[in-house]
Amino acid sequence: DQQVKQNSPSLSVQEGRISILNCDYTNSMFDYFLWYKKYPAEGPTFLISISSIKDKNEDGRFTVFLNKSAKHLSLHIVPSQPGDSAVYFCAASVNSGGYQKVTFGIGTKLQVIP
Amino acid sequence: GAVVSQHPSRVICKSGTSVKIECRSLDFQATTMFWYRQFPKQSLMLMATSNEGSKATYEQGVEKDKFLINHASLTLSTLTVTSAHPEDSSFYICSAINRTPSGANVLTFGAGSRLTVL
Repeated sequence: DQQVKQNSPSLSVQEGRISILNCDYTNSMFDYFLWYKKYPAEGPTFLISISSIKDKNEDGRFTVFLNKSAKHLSLHIVPSQPGDSAVYFCAASVNSGGYQKVTFGIGTKLQVIP
Repeated sequence: GAVVSQHPSRVICKSGTSVKIECRSLDFQATTMFWYRQFPKQSLMLMATSNEGSKATYEQGVEKDKFLINHASLTLSTLTVTSAHPEDSSFYICSAINRTPSGANVLTFGAGSRLTVL
């Protein structure tokens, strides 16, 4: 049972436009949601997070929106740049046995076209 | 910012041999580290949680005798793939928890280790 779902395996966006990456989850116990960016053959890099008590968090060109009632979050990148081309993983965490257990989605490959 | 170093980045070994992968937190102490595995076009799958000074906690379906984890210090965890077979070929990634000023527990990842078993 996949608790964190990214239903779009890939997304292409023109440079300068907005990129919207979506993520759905099923476990209502998740208390933090995170987005990671990953280049091939590298480890994921933390991008932005949001607490379950908030509905929006913004950091520069990146904004994460959380809709708890719909169990849905999205990452907005605006304006998109070619260097944003990577795989984006949505992740959710819950306190389990004293530590934060993180569950990842399958990833969405973003391609920003110059 | 927090840095996690993972070594080696690539390793090729013969079937039946054992391979050790190291994960170090360079500028912070990590009482807990995590080991993930990623197959092509699949998500990062948590294999085990490594706790400093105690036994690792393995996820369901992960053989603890196959994937030996040692977390001997607050900055080092090792994953040993014992008697490796071609099906163990994968991308292994370690991570450690780093708490941000906002209070979020963020996983900082190593660069990953590509294991190829011939």
